[in-house]
Amino acid sequence: QVTLKESGPALVKSTQTLTLTCTFSGVSLSATGMSVSWIRQPPGKALEWLARIDWDDDKIYSTSLKTRITISKDTSKNQVVLTMTNMDPVDTATYYCARIGGYSYGAPYFDFWGQGTLVTVSS
Amino acid sequence: QCVLTQTPSVSGAPGQRVSISCTGNSSNIGAGYDVHWYQQHPGRAPKLLIYGNNNRPSGVPDRFSGSKSGTSASLAITGLQAEDEADYYCQSYDNSLTVVFGGGTKVTVL
Repeated sequence: QVTLKESGPALVKSTQTLTLTCTFSGVSLSATGMSVSWIRQPPGKALEWLARIDWDDDKIYSTSLKTRITISKDTSKNQVVLTMTNMDPVDTATYYCARIGGYSYGAPYFDFWGQGTLVTVSS
Repeated sequence: QCVLTQTPSVSGAPGQRVSISCTGNSSNIGAGYDVHWYQQHPGRAPKLLIYGNNNRPSGVPDRFSGSKSGTSASLAITGLQAEDEADYYCQSYDNSLTVVFGGGTKVTVL
């Protein structure tokens, strides 16, 4: 069974850098085809995709946030890390990591999700 | 704002059928990318409900079904049950190489 769990600070201040870690089990990040994304959800609002990293270290970022976010992986620890710079109160959200379970006519879908971690940004 | 547009809310009595629409454009759904659907109960992570327009993962009841046509997709719930009360999100892909989500639809069981 694949499980993912997010960890990181619950509270950060404006202008600070956020670092979140996604630790997963049941599958290796080095397995061919393995991909993990970060997705966030502000309170009461919709889901927003942030970034993706593949088993071969290929990375893709949200167009609107690509100047502020970096995704990386530590295969030996089965972890994926998201850093987001210059945090603002509007970045307050639950941050999820999710595994891409496959692609259907080019569109990836997420079959396993972490429980999410709420990050609040204070001004 | 979200790239994909969903009706904010729908409601129905137990046993009834409800439908949720998801509208995109020629850069995402209309470009041929498939649509996936997620169910999210309050305080919980999203759960994959439908993938590839109309495929159900193991364990998802067959009262959930999906379809896609042109630049839109829809999710239908037949035989509505109390536990179906949740938020539902559509998701696809865009020519800009990014994942796109809908704004979500809240389903209320009367």
